[in-house]
Amino acid sequence: DGGITQSPKYLFRKEGQNVTLSCEQNLNHDAMYWYRQDPGQGLRLIYYSQIVNDFQKGDIAEGYSVSREKKESFPLTVTSAQKNPTAFYLCASSSRLEVDEQFFGPGTRLTVL
Amino acid sequence: GEDVEQSLFLSVREGDSSVINCTYTDSSSTYLYWYKQEPGAGLQLLTYIFSNMDMKQDQRLTVLLNKKDKHLSLRIADTQTGDSAIYFCAEEYSSASKIIFGSGTRLSIRP
Repeated sequence: DGGITQSPKYLFRKEGQNVTLSCEQNLNHDAMYWYRQDPGQGLRLIYYSQIVNDFQKGDIAEGYSVSREKKESFPLTVTSAQKNPTAFYLCASSSRLEVDEQFFGPGTRLTVL
Repeated sequence: GEDVEQSLFLSVREGDSSVINCTYTDSSSTYLYWYKQEPGAGLQLLTYIFSNMDMKQDQRLTVLLNKKDKHLSLRIADTQTGDSAIYFCAEEYSSASKIIFGSGTRLSIRP
């Protein structure tokens, strides 16, 4: 089945540790995105990539880093510089055709203790 | 600036119609979208409308677009308990090749 996967579903980390969230898609999509979701604030764009080996900062990139070495994969690292990392993180991909439907993964809930 | 606004909550009685409203800022958006998020899950595209249309109907869903006022609405007819979710309005921000999402409207259904 084609789709987009994120792992793990729940992640706990101690303050000051870096953590990497996984995102994989087998939809052959060029574009991939990372969003952060906080209650009452909707989705905020962290980073996006429109093609392999290229990515751009979104609206809240500080304290995060990404890589796009393969078309299928777009991991997000939450660094210790991120002041308030506890949130629900969503990865998405799209084909960037005329109707830009984004396909979302199930999300990773990160809790920093 | 880029901004999409929605009210945070809506409560309707089962069987009634639900109307979720949204305002957006980018008048050059080609497409506007409605996404649905079930609890603890990612978002799924529910429907979309091309900017040169005023209305789009898809079974129980009706999307209305008022381009002059930059207002978008989603009407769900005969609302069922399975419609309980968060509904996100989104606009295509054409100058930056990205989609801007609203804060989401949590729809709850009462018996």
